[in-house]
Amino acid sequence: EPEVTQTPSHQVTQMGQEVILRCVPISNHLYFYWYRQILGQKVEFLVSFYNNEISEKSEIFDDQFSVERPDGSNFTLKIRSTKLEDSAMYFCASSFSGSVYEQYFGPGTRLTVT
Amino acid sequence: AQRVTQPEKLLSVFKGAPVELKCNYSYSGSPELFWYVQYSRQRLQLLLRHISRESIKGFTADLNKGETSFHLKKPFAQEEDSAMYYCALINAGGTSYGKLTFGQGTILTVHP
Repeated sequence: EPEVTQTPSHQVTQMGQEVILRCVPISNHLYFYWYRQILGQKVEFLVSFYNNEISEKSEIFDDQFSVERPDGSNFTLKIRSTKLEDSAMYFCASSFSGSVYEQYFGPGTRLTVT
Repeated sequence: AQRVTQPEKLLSVFKGAPVELKCNYSYSGSPELFWYVQYSRQRLQLLLRHISRESIKGFTADLNKGETSFHLKKPFAQEEDSAMYYCALINAGGTSYGKLTFGQGTILTVHP
């Protein structure tokens, strides 16, 4: 069964550094998402992406964040200048449709900002 | 604003006992409700969704619009049901890009 993959599984970076988290969604899916989960808190929506543009974003997704689909397979989340509070598990997800269809989640990337 | 509340962080039951994980939501539009599950060391995966009216692994969930609830139930819990369970909501009306709003999650432990 096809799966969403994410790399790396764990990323440690220093405050102020740029990080890029990578995801390979399921190949025939059209909608792509990033969520994050700070330790002990709920999973929070960051952004959805469809047709090569952001379709919706949360208040968390400020100018420090950007997403890109650089080729036909990868979907990336970039944080330009990381802060301590960006430390979290970041989940990528994809779905065939943006409505009530199942979203398939990746295993997550644990980002630690020191 | 849409919100999902799972009042219990932890729930422990014995094998064979009934289990109910509570979920309440607030949303003024047309919500679609889901239950996602995360087993130990595995990824988040869909357990069931209201629109499908299905029973998965013996679990069912009924949408009660009057009480704005979508509780997850199973009549006889099994040890392999031990996991983190998340209730989630999507706006199913109008323009929807699939933004899932999650509850805090409930850790279910089923003891032998």
